[in-house]
Amino acid sequence: SQQGEEDPQALSIQEGENATMNCSYKTSINNLQWYRQNSGRGLVHLILIRSNEREKHSGRLRVTLDTSKKSSSLLITASRAADTASYFCATDAGGAQKLVFGQGTRLTINP
Amino acid sequence: GAGVSQTPSNKVTEKGKYVELRCDPISGHTALYWYRQSLGQGPEFLIYFQGTGAADDSGLPNDRFFAVRPEGSVSTLKIQRTERGDSAVYLCASSVQGLAGNEQFFGPGTRLTVL
Repeated sequence: SQQGEEDPQALSIQEGENATMNCSYKTSINNLQWYRQNSGRGLVHLILIRSNEREKHSGRLRVTLDTSKKSSSLLITASRAADTASYFCATDAGGAQKLVFGQGTRLTINP
Repeated sequence: GAGVSQTPSNKVTEKGKYVELRCDPISGHTALYWYRQSLGQGPEFLIYFQGTGAADDSGLPNDRFFAVRPEGSVSTLKIQRTERGDSAVYLCASSVQGLAGNEQFFGPGTRLTVL
């Protein structure tokens, strides 16, 4: 079963704009990760945020985590056409080794 | 270095047939994971190996699904008596150790179609 919900399910913006995606989850976690997937195949790890962190940056990516609301957001600044992909949040569901993924947000960047 | 590889990239089979999907993890990675992804959904966990042993097989949907990793490297996911509902992309991932929070490196997946 899926751990969380991402919203929006689909997002279409113009190149150069910022894209924000949200993720909610159900159980307690030790950490939350964001992955990107192109063309429905392999996933690429983007960033990990631990449960005791509130915000983390990596290049044009900014992730926030609110454990009281069991939610996270991924912000991509100054979007590029190459950012077009599906984005998934994944949690460790309380310390398990397996990842539990949300349903993903399909992001389209229009040139 | 080489990433996680999976073969075949696509597999078409008929209902009732047996299939094997192969995963070659990154060299030195002791943890190996199998996930299944249906269209429009996120990946769903199937099974996790630490070394040669299945540490968590709680995601296997039924006893038609089985996976092995006899030498602690390559893994094979085996599906017996395939059903149309088994059609999905099967993803393999590996990590340095099976610790929560370790980055998992994913392969390109095998797209299985059961006719």
